[in-house]
Amino acid sequence: NAGVMQNPRHLVRRRGQEARLRCSPMKGHSHVYWYRQLPEEGLKFMVYLQKENIIDESGMPKERFSAEFPKEGPSILRIQQVVRGDSAAYFCASSPSGQPKEFFGPGTRLTVL
Amino acid sequence: EDQVTQSPEALRLQEGESSSLNCSYTVSGLRGLFWYRQDPGKGPEFLFTLYSAGEEKEKERLKATLTKKESFLHITAPKPEDSATYLCAVQGSKDSGGGADGLTFGKGTHLIIQP
Repeated sequence: NAGVMQNPRHLVRRRGQEARLRCSPMKGHSHVYWYRQLPEEGLKFMVYLQKENIIDESGMPKERFSAEFPKEGPSILRIQQVVRGDSAAYFCASSPSGQPKEFFGPGTRLTVL
Repeated sequence: EDQVTQSPEALRLQEGESSSLNCSYTVSGLRGLFWYRQDPGKGPEFLFTLYSAGEEKEKERLKATLTKKESFLHITAPKPEDSATYLCAVQGSKDSGGGADGLTFGKGTHLIIQP
């Protein structure tokens, strides 16, 4: 049973470009969480999704950031018009229904030049 | 707002030298307290979940304990391969006005075990 998969593992963007981060949850998991880890900071919750639904986006910046988890395919975290402050490691975690424990992917490290 | 504070920020031990890592938390209605291990360049790896004060869990050289205000991760006779950053996180209850559905993490304790 493959774990949580994220791609790309490393992403370099110039200021103003768009970044798309993908997360494929573990088989059988229908809940996806996105977290951001800034240098020297702890992991910060961004958004919680189930298939085709955003359940909790209280940690998501109000502008430029969006997330989706379609019926088919991976969950996508999209960052429009990236700025240098968006440089961070973005982690996806998945969970089976109703359980708080989360399994994390290896992360995507975004660098904005 | 849920809060987690971990101490110390960094800890260097000799192989075989036991110690404890602290996680102090403030949460409105604890649904779970989680311990993870994170190696450089990797995602957090789940270790334990504790749900109520007095609960203890063990795995190899690690033992996690929980009170109403803090959790400890005890490391007994550590080996160099135990070197990592150890993360503590809580999930509060939304029914009692707590935080989001996700976890609130501390900044971690960077543990180095010297041979």
